[in-house]
Amino acid sequence: QVQLVESGGASVKPGGSLRLSCAASGFTLSDSYMTWVRQAPGKGLEWVSDINSRGGRTSYADSVKGRFTISRDNVRNSLHLQLTRLRAEDTAVYYCAREIAGYSSSGHETRYFDQWGQGTLVTVSS
Amino acid sequence: SYVLTQPPSVSVAPGKTATITCGGNNIGSKSVHWYQQRPGQAPVLVIYYDGARPSGIPERFSASNSGNTATLTISRVEAGDEADYFCQLWDSSSHYVFGTGTTVTVL
Repeated sequence: QVQLVESGGASVKPGGSLRLSCAASGFTLSDSYMTWVRQAPGKGLEWVSDINSRGGRTSYADSVKGRFTISRDNVRNSLHLQLTRLRAEDTAVYYCAREIAGYSSSGHETRYFDQWGQGTLVTVSS
Repeated sequence: SYVLTQPPSVSVAPGKTATITCGGNNIGSKSVHWYQQRPGQAPVLVIYYDGARPSGIPERFSASNSGNTATLTISRVEAGDEADYFCQLWDSSSHYVFGTGTTVTVL
C-alpha cells in the first residue's frame, strides 16, 4: 500500500537550517506531483510547496518563498524540503503528501492530496 | 487571497447528522475537497471533487457545493467521527487554500 514517511524534524535556533525528507513506497513516485503541508501547534493546515513529477516545476507559499527549497529524487523514491533562515513562525508539523491534479465533473481544474505521511515536527526556538 | 471560512466547532449526538460548512466567494465555481484529522494523526481525504468518496470512506460521508457555500454532511454520526475537518480548494491564483477547520464533537 501507499506509504509516505517523513524524517528530519528537529529543534533549531532562529536563523538555522534543516532538511526534511519523505520516503515514498507502494506507488511510482516519478508519476506523481508531491507537496509539503504544515500545521503549527493547535492551528490549521497550510500549504508550503509542491513539485511536479520530474522536478522541473516548483511552487512555494509566499511565507516560505526564498527560504525553503523543494526537491525530489525519483531514483531513490524520496522528496525533500530544505529549510533555511528559519523563524519561530515556521514551527510546525510538516507533512508530505501525494498530489492529484484533475478536473471535476463540472469541468473545474483542481488539485488535492490523496495520501499523507505521519508528519515530522520542526521547532524553531532560541 | 482567497479565504475559506468554517465554523470552529460542531456538536452532534451519536446517530444524528453533522453538517459542516465551508464559505468562500463563489465557491460553487470551484471544486472542493474535504479532509478528516483525528487527534494526533495526519489528515485523511474523505471527499474529493465536491462529492466523490475515496475507497474505504463510508457512504455516511457526503458533500455538496453551490453558490458561496460548500457543505460536508456526516450521517449517523459515530464516536469515531470525532475529529477536525478541513475543506480545501485550488485555483490558479491562490494555489492551495485550506479552510479554517471545524472540530466535530460527538456528545
